[in-house]
Amino acid sequence: GDSVTQMEGPVTLSEEACLTINCTYTATGYPSLFWYVQYPGEGLQLLLKATKADDKGSNKGFEATYRKETTSFHLEKGSVQVSDSAVYFCALSGYSSASKIIFGSGTRLSIRP
Amino acid sequence: GAVVSQHPSRVICKSGTSVKIECRSLDFQATTMFWYRQFPKQSLMLMATSNEGSKATYEQGVEKDKFLINHASLTLSTLTVTSAHPEDSSFYICSANPGGNQPQHFGDGTRLSIL
Repeated sequence: GDSVTQMEGPVTLSEEACLTINCTYTATGYPSLFWYVQYPGEGLQLLLKATKADDKGSNKGFEATYRKETTSFHLEKGSVQVSDSAVYFCALSGYSSASKIIFGSGTRLSIRP
Repeated sequence: GAVVSQHPSRVICKSGTSVKIECRSLDFQATTMFWYRQFPKQSLMLMATSNEGSKATYEQGVEKDKFLINHASLTLSTLTVTSAHPEDSSFYICSANPGGNQPQHFGDGTRLSIL
């Protein structure tokens, strides 16, 4: 079945460092890909998405490109801030409103001032 | 944009109490909603798919009689944790998808604590 594998955490970086969180997927068909962020004690927020191959999702300085050839959707940011500390989830879903969303295990990111 | 509202945000109850959690889609109709459970420092585990006007579809290992789901309208699904015990304490999150390549929209979650 469909699955998402993402980089295990925790990841600890200094402020202004570069960030990459790896995510790869296996799926039949052509899923949409997402990154969600969960701040401490809160629910999930959509960070960015891509719906087809070569699409680049971007938001708040984060980017991820839908790479069909490598089945990847790595999350990147050029300069992280303390406020980026959170848990990041890579996910995939089908087109239909009835499609389940499949999450990766989550990567906890901590940014030191 | 599309919003999903979940209520209550936090519940503290005695063991044996039944607790109802509501999930509403505020500006779109959702024939399907999803209920997740999240243990501390873990990913979200899909518990069940809530289907408007029909029975919910439960994931393997999830007790139907323990976690009752009702999806009586196109904008509301409820999860009732029946006769809750301390091991049911967790963070419960619902989501709904407007469809058409739109992302899932999540509620803010309900933190359930059973004493």
